[in-house]
Amino acid sequence: DSGVTQTPKHLITATGQRVTLRCSPRSGDLSVYWYQQSLDQGLQFLIQYYNGEERAKGNILERFSAQQFPDLHSELNLSSLELGDSALYFCASSISGGDTGELFFGEGSRLTVL
Amino acid sequence: SQQGEEDPQALSIQEGENATMNCSYKTSINNLQWYRQNSGRGLVHLILIRSNEREKHSGRLRVTLDTSKKSSSLLITASRAADTASYFCASSGNTGKLIFGQGTTLQVKP
Repeated sequence: DSGVTQTPKHLITATGQRVTLRCSPRSGDLSVYWYQQSLDQGLQFLIQYYNGEERAKGNILERFSAQQFPDLHSELNLSSLELGDSALYFCASSISGGDTGELFFGEGSRLTVL
Repeated sequence: SQQGEEDPQALSIQEGENATMNCSYKTSINNLQWYRQNSGRGLVHLILIRSNEREKHSGRLRVTLDTSKKSSSLLITASRAADTASYFCASSGNTGKLIFGQGTTLQVKP
């Protein structure tokens, strides 16, 4: 058990809909990272937050947004969903926000868009 | 693409044999990490090697880093069936992003 909790574990929705994925980092970790894993794109970095502030941004679509709350949990919002958004979404956490050390991953949220 | 490349994409060996996976990355790094993923599960950190290190060991794992070639390798010695998983390298530069390679799928046959 990594200590990182992601909900929901599975989600099935329709095109055009909006979903929210939630992540609780390990106790004491200030950084939260979001990754998307799909068969054709591999593991893609989306965004990182450190202590509530956006720290780094990857290939995150404009339809996607994220935030980290004062209690350090994070949410990833995916809107106007398309079939191609079907993927496994991982949250990871770490203590640091700079030179990236070891990340602790949650078990992921599997999103299926029909 | 953000990602580096891993080679081979898939590897099948017998229990007891050694497994070697290679990784190339694109930009200068602060460190390079290796992770393991069992099918459909979260990734688990295996080992981290800093840019000023050339080799690192952890149990049956040996990692090398060649910054001049922008490449790293992971050696798993005396493999076990339980080592069957996907292995990913991840490079960390100054941007704060940890960029993963495409991964190597390792199958260890009993």
